[in-house]
Amino acid sequence: EVQLLESGGGLVQPGGSLRLSCAASGFTFNNYVMNWVRQAPGKRLEWVSGISGSGGSTYYADSVKGRFTISRDNSKNTLYLQMNSLRSEDTALYYCARDRRVDCWGQGTLVTVSS
Amino acid sequence: QLVLTQSPSASASLGASVKLTCTLSSGHSNYAIAWHQQQPERGPRYLLKLNTDGSHIKGDGIPDRFSGSSSGAERYLTISSLQSEDEADYYCQTWGTGVVFGGGTKLTVL
Repeated sequence: EVQLLESGGGLVQPGGSLRLSCAASGFTFNNYVMNWVRQAPGKRLEWVSGISGSGGSTYYADSVKGRFTISRDNSKNTLYLQMNSLRSEDTALYYCARDRRVDCWGQGTLVTVSS
Repeated sequence: QLVLTQSPSASASLGASVKLTCTLSSGHSNYAIAWHQQQPERGPRYLLKLNTDGSHIKGDGIPDRFSGSSSGAERYLTISSLQSEDEADYYCQTWGTGVVFGGGTKLTVL
């Protein structure tokens, strides 16, 4: 069974940092592009970042470029999102999602940026 | 710029059918899309991938009541024999350099 399990969310002050992880199982991890997608309370889904199967190519939404870094460890079947210089508008549920067509979602991890 | 446009809301009666629309921006009518369902207070769920020719591949466990079709730059999701649990937000999504989501359609089952 394909599973994605996010962790690492929490409460952080504006300007702070947080690192999210997504543990993948049930499929050949390095064969897939992986993404982070977020959803602020009551808002639409917003793509944040994506990374190729090898990790050699990364992509970012303009809203997080220069502040967030996506990476992966294919030996551990794990996806990461390093989030720096966090702002209140980054408060959201962050989902890990498989492939460009997003054919599998994790359950999400909540990030709250507040003083 | 690659943009997906959806109507904010739709409604239909229990047991009826409803057809939701997602429109690709000009110059992008040859893009495949995916449809996702998000029930209240739950995470999104992948429903199906929809190609330009209307062929589609459904996710595991997605009922036959869900189907997709295409016409030009329009991509459709049809839900037949509506049930109460179909009341949800429905998002279309595509991909280029990155992933793009539509604004979502909130479906109310009357």
